[in-house]
Amino acid sequence: DTGVSQDPRHKITKRGQNVTFRCDPISEHNRLYWYRQTLGQGPEFLTYFQNEAQLEKSRLLSDRFSAERPKGSFSTLEIQRTEQGDSAMYLCASSLVQTMNTEAFFGQGTRLTVV
Amino acid sequence: EDQVTQSPEALRLQEGESSSLNCSYTVSGLRGLFWYRQDPGKGPEFLFTLYSAGEEKEKERLKATLTKKESFLHITAPKPEDSATYLCAVTFMEYGNKLVFGAGTILRVKS
Repeated sequence: DTGVSQDPRHKITKRGQNVTFRCDPISEHNRLYWYRQTLGQGPEFLTYFQNEAQLEKSRLLSDRFSAERPKGSFSTLEIQRTEQGDSAMYLCASSLVQTMNTEAFFGQGTRLTVV
Repeated sequence: EDQVTQSPEALRLQEGESSSLNCSYTVSGLRGLFWYRQDPGKGPEFLFTLYSAGEEKEKERLKATLTKKESFLHITAPKPEDSATYLCAVTFMEYGNKLVFGAGTILRVKS
């Protein structure tokens, strides 16, 4: 399967714990995005990378959130000191910006539940 | 003010009953409008990209159209397997390549 892969699919954690999610994009894609989706809403932008450079973070993104994309391949999203409000589906997407078509392809997401 | 609004919020159809979903946007400098399908507990699945008014794209029972301020997703003779949430998203000049999503339309097709 050459699609976007996310791990884990589900994560339950206690409030105050740190969690880390991983995303493996489609191999030739140079852009990688993180989105968050809560029930009944569309995905909301968090941050994105072009190759290994993090180009933008949403103003809504707390300092407890950090993302990396070492070597421009896979990416990790870490949430420190989790809060119940962090419970959501975390989606990763990738795209190839060099072409006219800039469609982003999404992974299956990581469902985070903070108890 | 919401930049992308989808209607209706939910739609129930009988199998074979054609209908349309609407996506309206208020942004200027549209770069692209995207339709995704999302099944429960899964990530969005890409369907179509539209770039300019008058453009149309088709895939099986789905047809997407674009005007200057809205897009329609037409579903012809739907089947139960078309049941899903359909998400619309836009990219626009001021916002780079980031997708701005609507809240989606939940479609249920009964046999």
